[in-house]
Amino acid sequence: EPEVTQTPSHQVTQMGQEVILRCVPISNHLYFYWYRQILGQKVEFLVSFYNNEISEKSEIFDDQFSVERPDGSNFTLKIRSTKLEDSAMYFCASSTGTIKNIQYFGAGTRLSVL
Amino acid sequence: AQRVTQPEKLLSVFKGAPVELKCNYSYSGSPELFWYVQYSRQRLQLLLRHISRESIKGFTADLNKGETSFHLKKPFAQEEDSAMYYCALIAGNTGKLIFGQGTTLQVKP
Repeated sequence: EPEVTQTPSHQVTQMGQEVILRCVPISNHLYFYWYRQILGQKVEFLVSFYNNEISEKSEIFDDQFSVERPDGSNFTLKIRSTKLEDSAMYFCASSTGTIKNIQYFGAGTRLSVL
Repeated sequence: AQRVTQPEKLLSVFKGAPVELKCNYSYSGSPELFWYVQYSRQRLQLLLRHISRESIKGFTADLNKGETSFHLKKPFAQEEDSAMYYCALIAGNTGKLIFGQGTTLQVKP
């Protein structure tokens, strides 16, 4: 069964460094998402992406964050200058549609900012 | 405000007992509601959605618009049901999922 793949599974970085989290969505999916979960808190929406542009972003998704689909298969989340509070589990998801369609999640990348 | 509330952080039951995981929502439009499950060391996966009105692994959930609830139920819990359960709704046209805080279900032998 096709799966959403995320790499790396764990990323450790120093505060102020740039990180890129990678995701390979399911191949025939058109809608892509990033969510994050700070330890002990709920899963929070960051951004949705369709047709090579952001369709919606949350308040969390400020100028330090960006997303890209550089080659038609990968979907990346970049954090330009990481802060301690960016430490969280980041989940990528993809789906074939929006309102009634199932989102399939990756296993997540644990980001630790030191 | 768009919000999903799961009042119980942990629900512990014995095998064979009935289970009800509570979920209440706040949403101005017509909600699309889901239950996602995360088993130990596995990814988030869909358990069921209200639109399909199906029973998965013995679980059912009924949307009650009057009480703005979407509680998850199973008549007889099994040990393999132990997991983290998240209630979620889709808000708006972009597919954004809003999650509740999650409930850990622990089924004891």
